[in-house]
Amino acid sequence: NAGVTQTPKFRILKIGQSMTLQCTQDMNHNYMYWYRQDPGMGLKLIYYSVGAGITDKGEVPNGYNVSRSTTEDFPLRLELAAPSQTSVYFCASSLRDEQYFGPGTRLTVT
Amino acid sequence: DAKTTQPTSMDCAEGRAANLPCNHSTISGNEYVYWYRQIHSQGPQYIIHGLKNNETNEMASLIITEDRKSSTLILPHATLRDTAVYYCIVRGSNQAGTALIFGKGTTLSVSS
Repeated sequence: NAGVTQTPKFRILKIGQSMTLQCTQDMNHNYMYWYRQDPGMGLKLIYYSVGAGITDKGEVPNGYNVSRSTTEDFPLRLELAAPSQTSVYFCASSLRDEQYFGPGTRLTVT
Repeated sequence: DAKTTQPTSMDCAEGRAANLPCNHSTISGNEYVYWYRQIHSQGPQYIIHGLKNNETNEMASLIITEDRKSSTLILPHATLRDTAVYYCIVRGSNQAGTALIFGKGTTLSVSS
């Protein structure tokens, strides 16, 4: 069981570029989440999904898009990257209430 | 979700038990106590959770007082790799699909 995997680990983007952060889980969890964590701060929920084909906004969805075509994958798309999106991004999944997190993607937008 | 209070920091010698307290005096009957930790630069890690009975797994033990107003996470033999920020979170049941809200947590420093 690899758990939750995320790629890439690190990325530097220029302002206005776009990219997709990949997230895959092999635990057959229905629920998946994307969080961001700014330095010294707590987690903020960007988007979540309760199952394939169903997604919903979290606290800070602006500037991001998601899709959930399979149970395993939950990619996060950044369009027109901005410096305010510099952060560490964590993907998580859950079967019930306890959430299991990936190792994170550290993104810098300059 | 009920509010929790944890000490800002704690120290522990390697090999000794680390006992991390959490107060949750406003917890309601259907709310669980969860513990997560975040090692520097890594994703948060689920440790354990419980409702009212004491719980144990391969990582830790959770002791919840009879009145459920406080709990203690016990790492029986702390190692250097247990140095992390530990978060006590109170959540109702059936919260799948909702965000985890981490407070300030307790920074545990394990030293040799």
